[in-house]
Amino acid sequence: QVQLVQSGAEVKKPGASVKVSCKASGYTFTSYGISWVRQAPGQGLEWMGWISAYNGNTNYAQKLQGRVTMTTDTSTSTAYMELRSLRSDDTAVYYCARAGNPSLAVANNWFDPWGQGTLVTVSS
Amino acid sequence: SYVLTQPPSVSVAPGQTARITCGGNNIGSKSVHWYQQKPGQAPVLVVYDDSDRPSGIPERFSGSNSGNTATLTISRVEAGDEADYYCQVWDSSSDRVVFGGGTKLTVL
Repeated sequence: QVQLVQSGAEVKKPGASVKVSCKASGYTFTSYGISWVRQAPGQGLEWMGWISAYNGNTNYAQKLQGRVTMTTDTSTSTAYMELRSLRSDDTAVYYCARAGNPSLAVANNWFDPWGQGTLVTVSS
Repeated sequence: SYVLTQPPSVSVAPGQTARITCGGNNIGSKSVHWYQQKPGQAPVLVVYDDSDRPSGIPERFSGSNSGNTATLTISRVEAGDEADYYCQVWDSSSDRVVFGGGTKLTVL
């Protein structure tokens, strides 16, 4: 079955960087894009950006431009999200999610399935 | 920027019908997707492209979209449907994905 398995919880100090991984299985990795979505404690969902696993094209949320980098490793079917210059308000659960329709880029696409989530805590 | 407005909470008795709305300017011209999120779990897609259901999602879940409002309808509500529900669209004017603020469904 299609599955996304993410790396474990992280605790970081303000100003540091974090890199979260998302290993895909059960489908052809390069056929679908991956989005990253985060959820602060008790809050709603916030889209961070998208990467095409086919050609590496990216589309980042304007709010995070310059601090976030999304990459993929097709040899291991793994997507990565790196967030730099961490602040306390970056504390959240970070999810990767596969695009639902392989024929669409991120526009008009949906997310299915999602990874289990990775808690990133930023605290001094 | 495009804003999606959901009611913070909806309550319904078991066996009744729950309707969760998602308001946005001319949202009827967009494709709307809905997710269910139970406490401590990742979101799960329940409706995509306004009204299509992924495999494994009960027929009790349906969606509609017209004008300025999209609606997720859950028929014959069960205790296990209690969760947060989020709508999602693509905003072409800002090239970004937008989520609604979420609605907590309580089964009385």
